[in-house]
Amino acid sequence: KAGVTQTPRYLIKTRGQQVTLSCSPISGHRSVSWYQQTPGQGLQFLFEYFSETQRNKGNFPGRFSGRQFSNSRSEMNVSTLELGDSALYLCASSIGTSGGARETQYFGPGTRLLVL
Amino acid sequence: AQSVTQLGSHVSVSEGALVLLRCNYSSSVPPYLFWYVQYPNQGLQLLLKYTTGATLVKGINGFEAEFKKSETSFHLTKPSAHMSDAAEYFCAVSVFGANSKLTFGKGITLSVRP
Repeated sequence: KAGVTQTPRYLIKTRGQQVTLSCSPISGHRSVSWYQQTPGQGLQFLFEYFSETQRNKGNFPGRFSGRQFSNSRSEMNVSTLELGDSALYLCASSIGTSGGARETQYFGPGTRLLVL
Repeated sequence: AQSVTQLGSHVSVSEGALVLLRCNYSSSVPPYLFWYVQYPNQGLQLLLKYTTGATLVKGINGFEAEFKKSETSFHLTKPSAHMSDAAEYFCAVSVFGANSKLTFGKGITLSVRP
């Protein structure tokens, strides 16, 4: 099976712009989670989608949003970009049907976002 | 809320030496515990996980970890380090009801000296 794919891999934006990142989960996986990784804050949970519904949400401002499509692909959007949004954004997928907590999360390679 | 503490940000060992990476967790309910590895410019890869049952868990690449409830620990070990083990290692916790949310520690960078 193909792994989790994320596009684009690298992105440069300027402050105030918005950005959309895409994640395609492993075939058959219905849960997609997003994480932000920075040197200062480490890995932080953004949100999780399961069957097109947001099932869990981290402590990020409303500028960070996401959605999931019927084929389980997910996108996350960041509006009004700030310098502090520069980070590696990781997407992870899992089967999701048992609630997810015990399941292995399979991570994609990430999208590295640089905000200038 | 759950949390993970990984003491120290960097560990250096000689090739062939024992690898020990420490992880302590905090959780008011039974935890599920994970160790992930991240190589440069890559995503995270699962090394091993503990959900229930046997407290000594064996993972990939010769790594293992032991869940010790009394010590709230889940330390990662490997008897003999290899150069290819150089990477960043993350301990993470989740609990029933949190769905797929993982709470990660800050990570430990492992260096392996020839």
